[in-house]
Amino acid sequence: GAGVSQSPSNKVTEKGKDVELRCDPISGHTALYWYRQSLGQGLEFLIYFQGNSAPDKSGLPSDRFSAERTGGSVSTLTIQRTQQEDSAVYLCASSLATSYGYTFGSGTRLTVV
Amino acid sequence: AQSVSQHNHHVILSEAASLELGCNYSYGGTVNLFWYVQYPGQHLQLLLKYFSGDPLVKGIKGFEAEFIKSKFSFNLRKPSVQWSDTAEYFCAVNAADYKLSFGAGTTVTVRA
Repeated sequence: GAGVSQSPSNKVTEKGKDVELRCDPISGHTALYWYRQSLGQGLEFLIYFQGNSAPDKSGLPSDRFSAERTGGSVSTLTIQRTQQEDSAVYLCASSLATSYGYTFGSGTRLTVV
Repeated sequence: AQSVSQHNHHVILSEAASLELGCNYSYGGTVNLFWYVQYPGQHLQLLLKYFSGDPLVKGIKGFEAEFIKSKFSFNLRKPSVQWSDTAEYFCAVNAADYKLSFGAGTTVTVRA
């Protein structure tokens, strides 16, 4: 597609529920990244994919967070047993190569109530 | 691991004033440097980037940034701001790895 697409744009969930966030990167971009943007916290790196593999998962905050990427394209970030501190905007970005600037999606605003 | 520091949390200025936002990074090797902007309600957009060559980089909307290697700095400037420049500005760095590390951001408010 023309840009990075994320869905849903907004998600309100109850504490303890699982959520799935989707990212559809720019066609042909092999690198895909997830970041989290919390109020006053800046952008926090979560995970990076090169193709379907994730060489670095070190940014995932806990084992409740997981992500996968299939077909070198769409990625899903899953948060299990959501907590209120998970509330944030989750951003996805893709890139042709790791040394290029990233193109960001509009994000998914997650609110855990 | 690299880190990125943005000196100002919030800057308020009037239209036509000059803007300079500071950014310093900690990494001794070769780096790629970026400034992103996030307008209210919009997603992050690339303002400009530096990979190599002329350390003075010109970006969109009249912004420019200067890479000073000896100072580990990549400051963003605009000679004359407009109300539409109200946004949050992020400096970002990636080094030998893939990870783009961001500063905490600077909120710029331009008063008409």
